[in-house]
Amino acid sequence: EAGVTQFPSHSVIEKGQTVTLRCDPISGHDNLYWYRRVMGKEIKFLLHFVKESKQDESGMPNNRFLAERTGGTYSTLKVQPAELEDSGVYFCASSLRLATATQYFGPGTRLLVL
Amino acid sequence: DQQVKQNSPSLSVQEGRISILNCDYTNSMFDYFLWYKKYPAEGPTFLISISSIKDKNEDGRFTVFLNKSAKHLSLHIVPSQPGDSAVYFCAVSYSGAGSYQLTFGKGTKLSVIP
Repeated sequence: EAGVTQFPSHSVIEKGQTVTLRCDPISGHDNLYWYRRVMGKEIKFLLHFVKESKQDESGMPNNRFLAERTGGTYSTLKVQPAELEDSGVYFCASSLRLATATQYFGPGTRLLVL
Repeated sequence: DQQVKQNSPSLSVQEGRISILNCDYTNSMFDYFLWYKKYPAEGPTFLISISSIKDKNEDGRFTVFLNKSAKHLSLHIVPSQPGDSAVYFCAVSYSGAGSYQLTFGKGTKLSVIP
């Protein structure tokens, strides 16, 4: 069974540009999460989808971030316009629809904003 | 304000001995606890979990202990192997929120010396 996949693995952009990250969850996982780790800090929650609906977006830093999950399958996270402080590693995770379901993480997208 | 604390940034252990990684949390409403292992340039890999109704869970060489009164959990690895060298993250969640978002500690880097 394929794990969580993320694309691209790395992205280097200039401040003010737009970047779109993609996440493909494990097949059959209704829950999809985005997390971010800024250098030197802990991994922090951004938002949670249940199928195509946003269940919790309390961790989204500001309105420059837009997440979508059309059709309840893959998800995209767009940053527009990117700022220097957006640099970090963006992780996606997925889980079954249970309260104690383990979240399985993808390899992450390393974003560097210059 | 950090809700999950891993007070030891690093730990060195001789191969074959026991590794003990510790984690403290502040909110007694957290009811699901996980440990993840992370290698450089990879996403966190799920290791073991425990719910608040238990105080111990074992899986092979890995055992997680939960002390709810002290708001403390620990991961024991016995015997430690060089391949266990990685960063270990403690993560907690609260099922009642409906989001199941994970709150992470900053991680402990374990080095197992051959």
